[in-house]
Amino acid sequence: LAKTTQPISMDSYEGQEVNITCSHNNIATNDYITWYQQFPSQGPRFIIQGYKTKVTNEVASLFIPADRKSSTLSLPRVSLSDTAVYYCLVGGLKTGANNLFFGTGTRLTVIP
Amino acid sequence: EAQVTQNPRYLITVTGKKLTVTCSQNMNHEYMSWYRQDPGLGLRQIYYSMNVEVTDKGDVPEGYKVSRKEKRNFPLILESPSPNQTSLYFCASSSGRAEQYFGPGTRLTVT
Repeated sequence: LAKTTQPISMDSYEGQEVNITCSHNNIATNDYITWYQQFPSQGPRFIIQGYKTKVTNEVASLFIPADRKSSTLSLPRVSLSDTAVYYCLVGGLKTGANNLFFGTGTRLTVIP
Repeated sequence: EAQVTQNPRYLITVTGKKLTVTCSQNMNHEYMSWYRQDPGLGLRQIYYSMNVEVTDKGDVPEGYKVSRKEKRNFPLILESPSPNQTSLYFCASSSGRAEQYFGPGTRLTVT
């Protein structure tokens, strides 16, 4: 089971770019990297997923180096509504629900 | 609207009184899971199911049971709840690739 390590918390001012790095040294060849966002008392919400290099969507970018032992979630110009806990997960192509490890995530606080 | 629903959303019960939390998804997903979330411990997987009649233990299965008789439903059963099962519970479903859709959560208190 590939587990991940993330910073416990981060603070950022509104309008800044935020980068959250996740370490996953034991990532397997067929594992994808997925990030979720969770607001208090709500279920996590999918943000972005990637396998290698860079992935970008309307919400965030995901940078994955060639060795894939880490990944960085980049949130451009954060706002107060981006205050949440962010989780990094690794899992296989057909992982589906197979024993995914969420951990404690990174608590991002955006300051006005 | 694609969604995962859970019932009840809030439940207060007493030790030893059997309860069931229902979970249903309308996306025809193969995979479903149950998680519990506790302060300082993050989200931990209780059980998961890869299809009808196929279930397996997650990280913290003790004290819980599940069943998957239909593709859309995945109830969580606590046959003899104890106070240490007081928690926020989430059901999730997915079609694979680890992109899961989560329900709104069930806050359970066992006294």
